[in-house]
Amino acid sequence: DAGVTQSPTHLIKTRGQQVTLRCSPISGHKSVSWYQQVLGQGPQFIFQYYEKEERGRGNFPDRFSARQFPNYSSELNVNALLLGDSALYLCASSLDPLRGTEAFFGQGTRLTVV
Amino acid sequence: ILNVEQSPQSLHVQEGDSTNFTCSFPSSNFYALHWYRWETAKSPEALFVMTLNGDEKKKGRISATLNTKEGYSYLYIKGSQPEDSATYLCAFKRNTGTASKLTFGTGTRLQVTL
Repeated sequence: DAGVTQSPTHLIKTRGQQVTLRCSPISGHKSVSWYQQVLGQGPQFIFQYYEKEERGRGNFPDRFSARQFPNYSSELNVNALLLGDSALYLCASSLDPLRGTEAFFGQGTRLTVV
Repeated sequence: ILNVEQSPQSLHVQEGDSTNFTCSFPSSNFYALHWYRWETAKSPEALFVMTLNGDEKKKGRISATLNTKEGYSYLYIKGSQPEDSATYLCAFKRNTGTASKLTFGTGTRLQVTL
């Protein structure tokens, strides 16, 4: 079985541009969460989606948005990119986010904003 | 503000040494504590999900304990091997009834040398 897959693996964008990151969860998982990890810090929660509905949002500006599709894959969009958005973006999938089940992570998308 | 703290920040041991790390988290509204092992350029790998006070879990040479009343968890590695070199992250899940985001510590970076 495939694990959580994210695309692209690396991305370079210019300040002010927009970016879309993609995530496919493990088959059968209906919840996807997005995290941002900057150097020297632990991953920070951005969004959680379950059954195509937003279930939680972290402390990120409105430039960050996401959605989940009927097949449970998800996209994270960031508008008006800033240099500070340079980070590793991780996607995690789980069966049921409201229970103590494991969250499985993808390898991440490394975004560099220049 | 939820603070999850891990110590030490980094650790350098020799092959065969046993070692342990600490994760501190808020003791109120506890739901679950997750441990992850993260090797460079790979996905974070789920090690344990711990939910009950006094829980002890083991996977091979790695084990973990949980004290929810005082808000800490220990991760132990017995007889460290070079392949144990990685960053070990803990993540706290709060009982909110809705979203179930993980709040991560900054990790303990372990390097095991021959």
